Amino acid sequence: DTAVSQTPKYLVTQMGNDKSIKCEQNLGHDTMYWYKQDSKKFLKIMFSYNNKELIINETVPNRFSPKSPDKAHLNLHINSLELGDSAVYFCASSQGPGQYNEQFFGPGTRLTVL
Amino acid sequence: AQSVTQPDIHITVSEGASLELRCNYSYGATPYLFWYVQSPGQGLQLLLKYFSGDTLVQGIKGFEAEFKRSQSSFNLRKPSVHWSDAAEYFCAVGGLGGGSNYKLTFGKGTLLTVNP
Repeated sequence: DTAVSQTPKYLVTQMGNDKSIKCEQNLGHDTMYWYKQDSKKFLKIMFSYNNKELIINETVPNRFSPKSPDKAHLNLHINSLELGDSAVYFCASSQGPGQYNEQFFGPGTRLTVL
Repeated sequence: AQSVTQPDIHITVSEGASLELRCNYSYGATPYLFWYVQSPGQGLQLLLKYFSGDTLVQGIKGFEAEFKRSQSSFNLRKPSVHWSDAAEYFCAVGGLGGGSNYKLTFGKGTLLTVNP
């Protein structure tokens, strides 16, 4: 009965490859997020979707493309992977997009680009 | 734009000792403040939050935090630390961040080590 789940947990790949990370939440939330945590543990928002619509798109290379097929899923596709993409990627969800809604985080996906 | 500073990168305390983790924020309006904890290999878990009202907020696992507007601070405290509290702690501020949608901005975290 995991609330926010991500697959895979670990991802090791070569530079130039394309990869996807999947996220699912079973909390019935409307809003989902992708965060990137770099090697210094700095956590920064990348994208947010509300009811399958993109509402936050931070300064992220367009090699990163989020997709939300339904409210319970938010996937992250990364093209032409670079060394600097190595990080832990966290998915999160909240009941709504506003400030009163607690964000629930998934366990993270550790991406290593060789 | 909003920002959060956690001045201490790493703190070591003995089990049973008291703990205070510092957090300073910058935000032009009323801040929404949070403390999250991240255990090794895990996602983030919300410890407590402040939106308004009583400036001393209680959270889970015996943690509390005090909002001080005059100092732009939201320090996390625990009277007696347990070995299981060893983790990374993140302070976050919620706001519009220069855009039209609310987002969380995190500090760089404080790693807590607990000695037996």
